[in-house]
Amino acid sequence: NAGVTQTPKFQVLKTGQSMTLQCAQDMNHNSMYWYRQDPGMGLRLIYYSASEGTTDKGEVPNGYNVSRLNKREFSLRLESAAPSQTSVYFCATTDGTRGRNSPLHFGNGTRLTVT
Amino acid sequence: TQLLEQSPQFLSIQEGENLTVYCNSSSVFSSLQWYRQEPGEGPVLLVTVVTGGEVKKLKRLTFQFGDARKDSSLHITAAQPGDTGLYLCAGAQVGYFNKFYFGSGTKLNVKP
Repeated sequence: NAGVTQTPKFQVLKTGQSMTLQCAQDMNHNSMYWYRQDPGMGLRLIYYSASEGTTDKGEVPNGYNVSRLNKREFSLRLESAAPSQTSVYFCATTDGTRGRNSPLHFGNGTRLTVT
Repeated sequence: TQLLEQSPQFLSIQEGENLTVYCNSSSVFSSLQWYRQEPGEGPVLLVTVVTGGEVKKLKRLTFQFGDARKDSSLHITAAQPGDTGLYLCAGAQVGYFNKFYFGSGTKLNVKP
């Protein structure tokens, strides 16, 4: 039972390159999220998917796109990477069945550097 | 600007001291969660508070939700080196119970 799996763990891109960050969960959770974490900024919500087939913008969606491929998978795409997108990216899930008490479950992050 | 402001940003104390971390906002939240994060890992939930004025205790950690559900605090009694880590608060936006916004984090270092 892996929980939330993110791939890759590390990535270095040149400015202008594209890539997709993958997230898969085996917890049968409805909601999935992408956050980025920068020093002194905590975690900022990029996009989230309340349920399969829906996606919505968070605080910092510019420069990113997402796809909720099925209930298990939620991917984050950078079409043209910029140095400002250097960060640690976390995928998280929650089942939502406990309403306000539903905890977030996180993967271990993807460390992305854009040069 | 972030929806949730945490203070202090950094805290370095001696083992045995007490400390309080604050999480403040001008917005109302339907619930407030506290997480702890170790280097190289994702955050892990410590507690959820949902009712204004609610107080929850987890061993030496005491969590409080403000009466107006706009702020929260985490108090640690007799801190130990094992408490070292990054503490994050997260609020669920009213009307969107599963949309969570995080504070900027408090990095705690407890020296033996």
